[in-house]
This record gives sequence, C-alpha cells and structure tokens, in this order.
Amino acid sequence: QQQVKQSPQSLIVQKGGISIINCAYENTAFDYFPWYQQFPGKGPALLIAIRPDVSEKKEGRFTISFNKSAKQFSLHIMDSQPGDSATYFCAASKPIDDMRFGAGTRLTVKP
Amino acid sequence: EAGVVQSPRYKIIEKKQPVAFWCNPISGHNTLYWYLQNLGQGPELLIRYENEEAVDDSQLPKDRFSAERLKGVDSTLKIQPAELGDSAVYLCASSSQTGANTGELFFGEGSRLTVL
Repeated sequence: QQQVKQSPQSLIVQKGGISIINCAYENTAFDYFPWYQQFPGKGPALLIAIRPDVSEKKEGRFTISFNKSAKQFSLHIMDSQPGDSATYFCAASKPIDDMRFGAGTRLTVKP
Repeated sequence: EAGVVQSPRYKIIEKKQPVAFWCNPISGHNTLYWYLQNLGQGPELLIRYENEEAVDDSQLPKDRFSAERLKGVDSTLKIQPAELGDSAVYLCASSSQTGANTGELFFGEGSRLTVL
C-alpha cells in the first residue's frame, strides 16, 4: 500500500556534495509532508517537515522543495557530511489519518 | 526527558510461539502508534491509540496480532502464533497531538523479531 513513492533507493555522495532525494504522491488530500532520518538500530527521527502552502522550507543544511501541481517533494542536503549517512524516509498524511512512509533512501556520504 | 522506551530490543523465537512487545511512550503523549518495519522498507502502521482507545486498527492482522493500552499509558503488542513472515522490527511511536498530520512522531528504537 505504498501511497508515497521514494527514489532513489540508495545514494552515494562525496563529502561536501549535495544529496537529493525525491518523493511523489497521488492523494491530493495529503497536507503534511515530513522527512524522517533513521540511523542503524535506531527509530526514525523527524528531520524537517512542510505543508503545501509553501514551496520551500530550509533548516540549516536541509531544504524541502515542494511542487504541489506535480505532487512531488524533495529533500536537499547541502554540504553533505559523513555523519549524514543514514536512511531517509519521506512521508505524507492527511487530516484524521495516519502517516504513510516511503520505502526509504540509504544515503552514504564518502569522506 | 526520557524518550519512547521499548522492550525487548531483540527477540528470537521458533515459529508458532507467542511473543509480546512493550512500549512506554513519552510522558504526557496521548497518542501511541505501533508500526511494522520490514527490512529495507518504511514503517507501516499497525494500530493507533488515542488514550486507551484504538482509533485505527484496520491494518492489524487480528487473527494473530493483538494490542492493548491499559490506562492510556504504556502498551503491549502480542503475536500468537508467530509466523516466519513476522520477522521484522516493531516500532512504537508517540505524539502529543491527535492526528498524524498535526505534529512530530517520536519513535522508540524498536524491537527486532526473528522467527525461526
């Protein structure tokens, strides 16, 4: 029941580079789009989130770009660091409903 | 402040055996979730509680899975009998808000189940 499709499945980036992870959704009732970061052996933790009334949100090196007409959103990690190596999940939810997660992207940042 | 606490962290059982997982949410969080995470996949909701009421259990396989949240605080997820396909990580999460789109979910570290 994947309602949120995420790509790529894995990503390797050099230190200092830009990591870009993309997600697409079908349900136009979704109105909350978070990104979660998960390290091995840990639970996911909220990284950054956006609502569809804005097209971009930036927090430090992390930016969400949101394209409502295309039903797509993406996570950009600027100046990627080895400590950013983790699995990233996009998600979406709508009122009185539960979070639907993408399949995840395993990011490796090489020193 | 303590985060979401889950136990056990790891469990290995033979198929057809029962297993139970326990979760203690962040103090004051009324909403509690159990998620299933298969290897290489995102979390999938099993059940959501608001206080002691299960408000969404549509994805819980009720023939073998059960859950309870007595007194609206900690929760237990049980599988009886376990099958090979149940091998996965069971994540518990809590939130201070009702409705998944109103705020952050705080996850525990998960309980990794291996069924042999």
